[in-house]
Amino acid sequence: AQSVTQPDIHITVSEGASLELRCNYSYGATPYLFWYVQSPGQGLQLLLKYFSGDTLVQGIKGFEAEFKRSQSSFNLRKPSVHWSDAAEYFCAVGPNTGGFKTIFGAGTRLFVKA
Amino acid sequence: GAVVSQHPSRVICKSGTSVKIECRSLDFQATTMFWYRQFPKQSLMLMATSNEGSKATYEQGVEKDKFLINHASLTLSTLTVTSAHPEDSSFYICSARVASSSVETQYFGPGTRLLVL
Repeated sequence: AQSVTQPDIHITVSEGASLELRCNYSYGATPYLFWYVQSPGQGLQLLLKYFSGDTLVQGIKGFEAEFKRSQSSFNLRKPSVHWSDAAEYFCAVGPNTGGFKTIFGAGTRLFVKA
Repeated sequence: GAVVSQHPSRVICKSGTSVKIECRSLDFQATTMFWYRQFPKQSLMLMATSNEGSKATYEQGVEKDKFLINHASLTLSTLTVTSAHPEDSSFYICSARVASSSVETQYFGPGTRLLVL
C-alpha cells in the first residue's frame, strides 16, 4: 500500500541555519512527490513537485528537494532558514493520471528560533 | 499559479443546522475537486473526490448523507454538512486538480474553519 512517512513531528532550527525535513514513501512505481507548506489556519501551498527527470527539484521560497529512489526518500532542504518559514510542512505522494489519490504524511512542524 | 478560493473562511453554527462550503477554481477549470478534513495538529484526511457532472466518490467511513457534495460546474464544488454536530467541528480544505499535458497537480483552497456549538 502507498504511504508517506515524515519521521520528525517537529524540528527547531535557528534562523540562518540550514534545514532538512525528511520524507520517506512507499509506492510500487516511480511516484509523483510533493511538498506543501501550511501556515496556521491556512490552506496548503505547493512548494515543489517531482514527476520525472532531474532528481534535484527547485521550488519556491528557496526550497529544494532531492528524490532518491534507492532510499525511497524525498527530503526537503533550505540552506538558510528565515523566521517566516515557521509552519507545518507536508510531504505527499500522488496523484497521477491514473486517478491515484494523494496521500499526505503526518506533517513536520518547523519552529525557527532567533 | 492556479488559485482556489473557499467561502466562508470560518463559520459558527448551532447544532442541528446545515452549513454549505463553497470551493471555486478562479482561473482554471477543474474537472476534479477533492474535499479534505483536518483535525488540529494532524494531517489531511481525504473525505471525497468530486467530479464535475457526476456523483462524488466518498472515502470509507465518510457518511455521504451527512457530507453532501455537489460539483455542478467546472469551477465550483460545494460541501454541505447536514445536521451538524459539535464533532463535525473541523478545518475543511478543498483542492482542485489541474490537468495539463502529462502533468497533474492539486491546488488547495485556504480552508474553512467550522465550529458547531
